[in-house]
Amino acid sequence: AQSVTQPDIHITVSEGASLELRCNYSYGATPYLFWYVQSPGQGLQLLLKYFSGDTLVQGIKGFEAEFKRSQSSFNLRKPSVHWSDAAEYFCAVVPFSGGYQKVTFGTGTKLQVIP
Amino acid sequence: GAVVSQHPSWVICKSGTSVKIECRSLDFQATTMFWYRQFPKQSLMLMATSNEGSKATYEQGVEKDKFLINHASLTLSTLTVTSAHPEDSSFYICSTKDNNNEQFFGPGTRLTVL
Repeated sequence: AQSVTQPDIHITVSEGASLELRCNYSYGATPYLFWYVQSPGQGLQLLLKYFSGDTLVQGIKGFEAEFKRSQSSFNLRKPSVHWSDAAEYFCAVVPFSGGYQKVTFGTGTKLQVIP
Repeated sequence: GAVVSQHPSWVICKSGTSVKIECRSLDFQATTMFWYRQFPKQSLMLMATSNEGSKATYEQGVEKDKFLINHASLTLSTLTVTSAHPEDSSFYICSTKDNNNEQFFGPGTRLTVL
């Protein structure tokens, strides 16, 4: 069965600093990969996704993620964090196969931004 | 992408009552909707897949008689928490998916059972 690991439960960065959130997946083939952001008491908003092609994916709000097949990773990055980026971030995978397969979410990384 | 709404956004009820949560796909005909549950400081856990015009598919460990799902139209799925108890207090989120397996999430419903 597929699994998603986000090793960092909580990350604190200073405003303006760079950010990298880690995501590793376990699956026999390359799945579809997603990063979502959730503000407190809100639903999930898609930041970016990877299906195929260029392994560096650009998303909204200045985020990007890089798919590394050899490391089974899909880490999220932002060069300069803003206070409004404080939220919880979820990595998610869907198997790449015909028909629908359910989404598996990582446990999330809570980002705190300090002035 | 699809726009998904949920109603209510927050509900407080007494133990033993039933609560209905609506999930609407506002601009997309959703043959399939998903219901997730999120406990505080935890990830989303898929509860069930709601299929328009047919019975929902429940994940292992989810009581189908406890969490009744009805997907009567292409734009509406409902989740009814029957005889709610404090342990059912949680954040319930629905979603739809497009042909690329991208999911679009509703804003969530916070259920508090006293």
